[in-house]
Amino acid sequence: SQQGEEDPQALSIQEGENATMNCSYKTSINNLQWYRQNSGRGLVHLILIRSNEREKHSGRLRVTLDTSKKSSSLLITASRAADTASYFCATSKLDSGYALNFGKGTSLLVTP
Amino acid sequence: GAVVSQHPSWVICKSGTSVKIECRSLDFQATTMFWYRQFPKQSLMLMATSNEGSKATYEQGVEKDKFLINHASLTLSTLTVTSAHPEDSSFYICSARGPTGRGEKLFFGSGTQLSVL
Repeated sequence: SQQGEEDPQALSIQEGENATMNCSYKTSINNLQWYRQNSGRGLVHLILIRSNEREKHSGRLRVTLDTSKKSSSLLITASRAADTASYFCATSKLDSGYALNFGKGTSLLVTP
Repeated sequence: GAVVSQHPSWVICKSGTSVKIECRSLDFQATTMFWYRQFPKQSLMLMATSNEGSKATYEQGVEKDKFLINHASLTLSTLTVTSAHPEDSSFYICSARGPTGRGEKLFFGSGTQLSVL
């Protein structure tokens, strides 16, 4: 069942600006992951944050997790046109065999 | 490492025919694979969990007789859409749990775009 809800659904920014996407979920989790999908293609794993972590960085990506609010955010700094894609959060639970439940996604457009 | 290959990338078929999609883990053994479906501009919906050597576990609302899943080896899972109809047209993506030590992370195939005429 669909668990994550991202906002905004669509985001349009200019190169160099920061992009922030938010994700909320409903049940307990083992970890939360962010994926990127270019149009009509497979998914690329961006970052995984565990339930006992609050913040994680990877290059220009910064992810936060607030388990008390059941929410996460993905920040892309100094965005580039190549960052244009859809971004999905996904939650994972051990008792589901680590199957991922995906949110609805945020469509990011970065214009030069 | 941890590459998942999915074939075909796209397929067009006539209504009533069956289509088989393959998902292979190229450089690791995948005891568990997952099949997702994605309609245009929507999110990925989990269809089923495939475990090597056992029957697949289907999500509620997914017809197991229509979407046949076979996971006969540690590197190959197949999804067969039987008697396909236009409403089955969708983007199908497989994924595999990572190798030992990376099991929390899923590695995705590049997807198969199915168009049923």
